[in-house]
Amino acid sequence: NAGVMQNPRHLVRRRGQEARLRCSPMKGHSHVYWYRQLPEEGLKFMVYLQKENIIDESGMPKERFSAEFPKEGPSILRIQQVVRGDSAAYFCASSKRGPGRRQPQHFGDGTRLSIL
Amino acid sequence: GQQLNQSPQSMFIQEGEDVSMNCTSSSIFNTWLWYKQDPGEGPVLLIALYKAGELTSNGRLTAQFGITRKDSFLNISASIPSDVGIYFCAGQKGAQKLVFGQGTRLTINP
Repeated sequence: NAGVMQNPRHLVRRRGQEARLRCSPMKGHSHVYWYRQLPEEGLKFMVYLQKENIIDESGMPKERFSAEFPKEGPSILRIQQVVRGDSAAYFCASSKRGPGRRQPQHFGDGTRLSIL
Repeated sequence: GQQLNQSPQSMFIQEGEDVSMNCTSSSIFNTWLWYKQDPGEGPVLLIALYKAGELTSNGRLTAQFGITRKDSFLNISASIPSDVGIYFCAGQKGAQKLVFGQGTRLTINP
């Protein structure tokens, strides 16, 4: 069984460019979560999506960041006009059912974003 | 917002020793999860706890959901080199977002 697949694994962008991070959830999972991790820190929740809907985006900055999970295809985390402070590891997780339904989240191996 | 305090931040032990780490919260959770993260990889789920007082094992790992619902413990018995990594606790209340601790970095001297 394929796990959560994220690509690219590493992404380098210059300040002002756009970064697109992709996540394909585990087979049969329709709930996707994005997290951000800075070095030596834990993961911080950004956004929770269920097919075509954003359920909770309380952890995502209001500007420059957006997320989608279309009916077909992977979930996309998009960062516009990147700045140095966006450098981090971005992790995607998926679950079969939503939070609070005894469905633990399974994580991908992340995208390491570096801003020059 | 909710915060988890995980301790210790780092541990240096000898191979074969037992390990204990814990996580405390300022508020109640009804789900506790323990993950392990190796360098360059994503967190891998070790143990999931859904009931106060629950004690669950996964091989040499044992985790407990504290009675107060504000803490959880992870023990590793007879540590081996592949146990090296960063261990994260994560708590969840109802359908709210998952909150992670800062991690415990485990180093094992052979």
